[in-house]
Amino acid sequence: KAGVTQTPRYLIKTRGQQVTLSCSPISGHRSVSWYQQTPGQGLQFLFEYFSETQRNKGNFPGRFSGRQFSNSRSEMNVSTLELGDSALYLCASSSAGTGGLETQYFGPGTRLLVL
Amino acid sequence: AQSVTQLGSHVSVSEGALVLLRCNYSSSVPPYLFWYVQYPNQGLQLLLKYTSAATLVKGINGFEAEFKKSETSFHLTKPSAHMSDAAEYFCAVSRGSGGYNKLIFGAGTRLAVHP
Repeated sequence: KAGVTQTPRYLIKTRGQQVTLSCSPISGHRSVSWYQQTPGQGLQFLFEYFSETQRNKGNFPGRFSGRQFSNSRSEMNVSTLELGDSALYLCASSSAGTGGLETQYFGPGTRLLVL
Repeated sequence: AQSVTQLGSHVSVSEGALVLLRCNYSSSVPPYLFWYVQYPNQGLQLLLKYTSAATLVKGINGFEAEFKKSETSFHLTKPSAHMSDAAEYFCAVSRGSGGYNKLIFGAGTRLAVHP
């Protein structure tokens, strides 16, 4: 099976712009989660989608949003970019909805640099 | 609230020596615990997970971890380090039952292996 794919891999934006990142989960996986990784804050949970519904959300401002399509592919959007949004954004997918003990498989990430 | 503490942001060992990476957790419910590894410019790869089936968990690449409820610990060990083990290691706890896949990560431990 193909792994989790994320596009683009690298992105450079300027402050105030918006950005959309894409994630394709492993075939058959219905849960997609997003994480932000920065040197200062480490790995932080952004949100999780399951069957096109946001099921859980982390402590991020409303500028961070996401959605999931019927084929389980997911996008996340960051509006009005700030310098502090520079990070590696990781997407993870898992198979079932029971939650918690399912293995999450991570993609390679999208590295966003905000200038 | 759940949390994870990884003792030691950097650990250095000689090739062939024992690897011990420490993880302590805090959880009000029986936790699910995970160890992930991240190589440079890559996403996270699952090494092993504890989901209450057995306290000693064996993972990939010769790693194992023991769940100790009395010490609220889930330390990662490998008897003999290899140069290819050099990477960053993350301990994580999930929320558990209820349909959530939110992982709460520790700050990470960077493992260096020298000849």
